[in-house]
Amino acid sequence: EAAVTQSPRNKVAVTGGKVTLSCNQTNNHNNMYWYRQDTGHGLRLIHYSYGAGSTEKGDIPDGYKASRPSQENFSLILELATPSQTSVYFCASGDQANTEVFFGKGTRLTVV
Amino acid sequence: GEKVEQHESTLSVREGDSAVINCTYTDTASSYFPWYKQEAGKSLHFVIDIRSNVDRKQSQRLIVLLDKKAKRFSLHITATQPEDSAIYFCAATKNSNNRIFFGDGTQLVVKP
Repeated sequence: EAAVTQSPRNKVAVTGGKVTLSCNQTNNHNNMYWYRQDTGHGLRLIHYSYGAGSTEKGDIPDGYKASRPSQENFSLILELATPSQTSVYFCASGDQANTEVFFGKGTRLTVV
Repeated sequence: GEKVEQHESTLSVREGDSAVINCTYTDTASSYFPWYKQEAGKSLHFVIDIRSNVDRKQSQRLIVLLDKKAKRFSLHITATQPEDSAIYFCAATKNSNNRIFFGDGTQLVVKP
């Protein structure tokens, strides 16, 4: 069964702290994505990856880094968290043609 | 790059009526158009798709139409039920190793 697992599911962080959101997929997909979802903005792409060792900037990469150490894992890193990064973050994996895309359950991040 | 626009931000229908959600895209090379559903507080999951080699596809109560000349595609939900209430996202992508582009979502409310 296709699976994308995000951890943690909920996180409260302090301003200026470092936050790492993790994503693991067991679909053997090449492509992985990090989105944030805010009311009124739909899904906004932060970073994505075409395979292990690669990361690409999405539409709103500022303040975020990404790491793809293996086919299965894709992390989103906030080095210096700010309240404006309070959001729900979704990870997704997709096959090479993106005809099979699965989303994780999301991580609710609150930066205080 | 590709831009996908979803024309209705909210849509309210009576149970049993049909609902239509319209999207446009800009890149003539886009060839695959999936739709995703997000129920309240949950993640996104795939509901139906259409490829550029056809102009209509039906899966039970869901119909997708594609007009390549107008660069427009639409999701028709017939005989709506309360469980159809959700946010629906349209998307577009090209072949292989290209990112997937999402619309901003349409909040569909089915009133009993």
